[in-house]
Amino acid sequence: SSELTQDPAVSVALGQTVRITCQGDSLRTYFATWYQQKPGQAPVLVFYGKNNRPSGIPDRFSGSTSGNTASLTITGAQAEDEADYYCNSRDTSGYHHVVFGGGTNLTVL
Amino acid sequence: QVQLQEAGPGLVKPSQTLSLTCTVSGGSISSGSHYWSWIRQPAGKGLEWVGRIYPSGNTKYNPSLKSRVTVSLDTSKNQFSLKLSSVTAADTAVYYCAREGDILGAAPYFDYWGQGTLVTVSS
Repeated sequence: SSELTQDPAVSVALGQTVRITCQGDSLRTYFATWYQQKPGQAPVLVFYGKNNRPSGIPDRFSGSTSGNTASLTITGAQAEDEADYYCNSRDTSGYHHVVFGGGTNLTVL
Repeated sequence: QVQLQEAGPGLVKPSQTLSLTCTVSGGSISSGSHYWSWIRQPAGKGLEWVGRIYPSGNTKYNPSLKSRVTVSLDTSKNQFSLKLSSVTAADTAVYYCAREGDILGAAPYFDYWGQGTLVTVSS
């Protein structure tokens, strides 16, 4: 199976830019998908594909990929962005299977 | 607006079968453009994909759970269901149903989620 590795915790000062990363072999082939999850709530899709942001997601959220690392960048982080962030991709051992990263807890200071 | 709602017992005894249903509103599960998945999350831990069903009725499962998982479709009720057999305490988690989309060259994306339902495995 394919593993996706995320930093467990990241912090950012209010209004600054933060990059949340996700590493894995499958990311050399597939663009990652990103979710935001606040305590007690279901995850929310925030970015997917090469350059897709769902309706209602602020444009301060953007995604990119370099080599085996996908990044979710929040430009001008707001207090309401404090949450857990998860990436997902395809399993390299099975195209139709899905793998998630372990999640990154973002603190906005 | 698509909405998903999970339903099922919140408590299951060890070795028994966990059964959940997801009712979809605002869209047909029979349409060919999306798939339907189950995802779970143990308390304080990350997300784990459980399995998927296509509008055709074909399925794909997480290899680590494949021998115990069955996902099925009831188009007459616009529902899909999850059965997980021989459960243990390790299967205790919040279970989400979600609509899945697909883009060439990209990871699958889950754009609509149910609120989640906590299933506890305990005697």
